[in-house]
Amino acid sequence: EAGVTQSPTHLIKTRGQQATLRCSPISGHTSVYWYQQALGLGLQFLLWYDEGEERNRGNFPPRFSGRQFPNYSSELNVNALELEDSALYLCASNRGQQYEQYFGPGTRLTVT
Amino acid sequence: DAKTTQPPSMDCAEGRAANLPCNHSTISGNEYVYWYRQIHSQGPQYIIHGLKNNETNEMASLIITEDRKSSTLILPHATLRDTAVYYCIVSSGNYGQNFVFGPGTRLSVLP
Repeated sequence: EAGVTQSPTHLIKTRGQQATLRCSPISGHTSVYWYQQALGLGLQFLLWYDEGEERNRGNFPPRFSGRQFPNYSSELNVNALELEDSALYLCASNRGQQYEQYFGPGTRLTVT
Repeated sequence: DAKTTQPPSMDCAEGRAANLPCNHSTISGNEYVYWYRQIHSQGPQYIIHGLKNNETNEMASLIITEDRKSSTLILPHATLRDTAVYYCIVSSGNYGQNFVFGPGTRLSVLP
């Protein structure tokens, strides 16, 4: 069974640009979660999508947004990039909110 | 969701059991205890979870005290590949199960 996949592996952008990160959940999983892990910091919850809807978001500004497609894959968009957005962005999926999450390998975003 | 407290670091000799403690004294009755580990900026790896009973799988055992205020993750025969940051998380699954990750315990398995 394939795990959670994320693309791209690395992404380099300049300040003010937009970044788009993609995630494909494990087959059969309907929920997708996004987390940010800045260098030396812990993982912080960003967004939760379930059945195509945004269900919850963490303490991040509105320029962090995303969506979930009918096939349950998801996209995270970060607008007006700032230097402090440089981080590892992790996607996780599960088959329902009572179940364990499985994480992808992450996308490392560097903003210069 | 309840907060957890873990020691910042631990050492363990290769081949010995690694016992990683976690305190979650404010845990609610419907909150599960989850354990994950992260090896050098890779995505966190799910290890095990439980509600009140002890759990065991191919990776580890989870011992939860009767009052559920603390738990211990046991890696029965630690190897060098078990060197990682281990996270203990409590979550009810309500509101999307947005895990709150603390700093975790950095386990170093020594040869």
